[in-house]
Amino acid sequence: QSALTQPRSVSGSPGQSVTISCTGTSSDVGGYNWVSWYQQHPGKAPKLMIYDVTKRPSGVPDRFSGSKSGNTASLTISGLQAEDEADYHCCSYAGSFTLVFGGGTKLTVL
Amino acid sequence: QVQLVQSGAEVKKPGASVKVSCKTSRYSFTPYTMHWVRQAPGQRLEWMGWINADSGNTEYSQKFQGRVTITWDTSATTAFMELTSLRSEDTAVYFCANSPPSGWEFDYWGQGTLVTVSS
Repeated sequence: QSALTQPRSVSGSPGQSVTISCTGTSSDVGGYNWVSWYQQHPGKAPKLMIYDVTKRPSGVPDRFSGSKSGNTASLTISGLQAEDEADYHCCSYAGSFTLVFGGGTKLTVL
Repeated sequence: QVQLVQSGAEVKKPGASVKVSCKTSRYSFTPYTMHWVRQAPGQRLEWMGWINADSGNTEYSQKFQGRVTITWDTSATTAFMELTSLRSEDTAVYFCANSPPSGWEFDYWGQGTLVTVSS
């Protein structure tokens, strides 16, 4: 499978909102509601932030939200905080019990 | 709460094999799926495959088919990932990650194991 397409970097000032896109095909993102998002700080394991496109695990701030339109999923972070600076990765079910990740996006809080 | 604890860093020569372990604290009788994901330096996450701890069923990414084997030791509640015919491009941090029985997200992750392939 080809990797999902994410912007390499996004940035925003504290308090602002940013949106990270994740574009796939009808065989992955567009075909299933099994898109998840992960936050990864340098040298750390990824952390689940959003699953099933829009659901937030317990303990994840409601500043983080997910959505999907067609073959593109999006992660929106509102009220940016310094600790949100990290890499963000999307992942989608791709059929036949397989999964595919995006290329990752580096979020910089200015 | 689930904890996943992986084995330590490895250094291997090209052509060799590596076997990484991932011990889980979750009750062994609860069906769940253990995935392996790797991340080369500065690169994206890459899904490698999974094993269902209840059935023993596995599925692998086409990219690693034939080189990767994922196994599960029920008594030790430990998953293993073996990668053979190592090459320099396999230098990466390897993570185990748990999926809940009804989902395809990774809710718990191991701390990662660095595998370095170098002559």
